[in-house]
Amino acid sequence: EAQVTQNPRYLITVTGKKLTVTCSQNMNHEYMSWYRQDPGLGLRQIYYSMNVEVTDKGDVPEGYKVSRKEKRNFPLILESPSPNQTSLYFCASSHTLAPSSYEQYFGPGTRLTVT
Amino acid sequence: AQKITQTQPGMFVQEKEAVTLDCTYDTSDQSYGLFWYKQPSSGEMIFLIYQGSYDEQNATEGRYSLNFQKARKSANLVISASQLGDSAMYFCAMREAGYSTLTFGKGTMLLVSP
Repeated sequence: EAQVTQNPRYLITVTGKKLTVTCSQNMNHEYMSWYRQDPGLGLRQIYYSMNVEVTDKGDVPEGYKVSRKEKRNFPLILESPSPNQTSLYFCASSHTLAPSSYEQYFGPGTRLTVT
Repeated sequence: AQKITQTQPGMFVQEKEAVTLDCTYDTSDQSYGLFWYKQPSSGEMIFLIYQGSYDEQNATEGRYSLNFQKARKSANLVISASQLGDSAMYFCAMREAGYSTLTFGKGTMLLVSP
């Protein structure tokens, strides 16, 4: 089954404690992306990757890091989480620069709370 | 300027009625795609329908149709015969040519009452 998986699905942590949210896709997609969703703001892109070892900042990259060592994985790293990073996070993937009709496949979301 | 504007924070509709969710967009590209996603209370993002900028006919997928008015830069979602399970947040999004990034609107919460 074609899917994007994220782990963990729920996480409560404390300020300053490094954490990683994993994302994996099994569709051989070149493009992967992280979004955060906050009430009233919709989804905003954090980072994206066009292919292995190619990453770039989205609209709200501050406080986050990513890496793309393998095509299928795109982890999101919070080196020193702060309460303003409490949010719902989505990983997504699609083919790169494909016809516009290629939809992005979303993971199930990770609800992060930083106290 | 916002690229995607959804002006309705919330909409109410009775079961079996049709409802239109508004979306306007801003782009100078000739080639782009417009998407609608549904997010139920469980949180997952569900792809509903896609419209390409060069598509001459409005997209339809079951009870969903996209009212695409290119000159007005609007891409409204029409849900016919609403069901209780349609209660959810709905997001309009755009993808411009050469970019894989989706730009989202802020969403419209739809509540369907019996």
